[in-house]
Amino acid sequence: TQLLKQSPQFLSIQEGENLTVYCNSSSVFSSLQWYRQEPGEGPVLLVTVVTGGEVKKLKRLTFQFGDARKDSSLHITAAQPGDTGLYLCAAINDYKLSFGAGTTVTVRA
Amino acid sequence: NAGVMQNPRHLVRRRGQEARLRCSPVKGHSHVYWYRQLPEEGLKFMVYLQKENIIDESGMPKERFSAEFPKEGPSILRIQQVVRGDSAAYFCASSPDRVAIKLFFGSGTQLSVL
Repeated sequence: TQLLKQSPQFLSIQEGENLTVYCNSSSVFSSLQWYRQEPGEGPVLLVTVVTGGEVKKLKRLTFQFGDARKDSSLHITAAQPGDTGLYLCAAINDYKLSFGAGTTVTVRA
Repeated sequence: NAGVMQNPRHLVRRRGQEARLRCSPVKGHSHVYWYRQLPEEGLKFMVYLQKENIIDESGMPKERFSAEFPKEGPSILRIQQVVRGDSAAYFCASSPDRVAIKLFFGSGTQLSVL
């Protein structure tokens, strides 16, 4: 099982600010996913990255996959209260997902 | 959450009772996965099932836990003789094939053991 470390554990910012959360592993990811989970709900897939150096944009969210495929980041520009949630990264291994512990993001109005 | 239905949403049990968690996958999906989320921890894989078959139960405790996905009806995760440490959110996910690239998660069942 691949161990993923997410940082920071908690992040609280003001509406309109930018934020970045990180996901790191000691071993190479074959492919990686980012999810957002709201309280009392299941995780919802945001993006899948498979190629080292890949950058994907989803509106105000930018996802990067490190060249060595051992790290990934999620950057949110001009955060809004609706971005509040638990952000999880997950490494894909065939049919299994190995999740990090997540970063809890709170965006204050 | 794209059609994966879990019930009940909340389940309260006393120590020693049985808990039954149900999951109806997205229509047409024959691959079901159960994950458990403990407070302050990420989701942990428990079991992977296809219709009538358990493919991988390596993440499921050997004692008291069982899972099934019958030919007809929902997948069931059964926990016998629950203990306080079983308190967690249990999530079911489904996919159209065995690769985890596109999993749809349900809203989960929050199990509380008194």
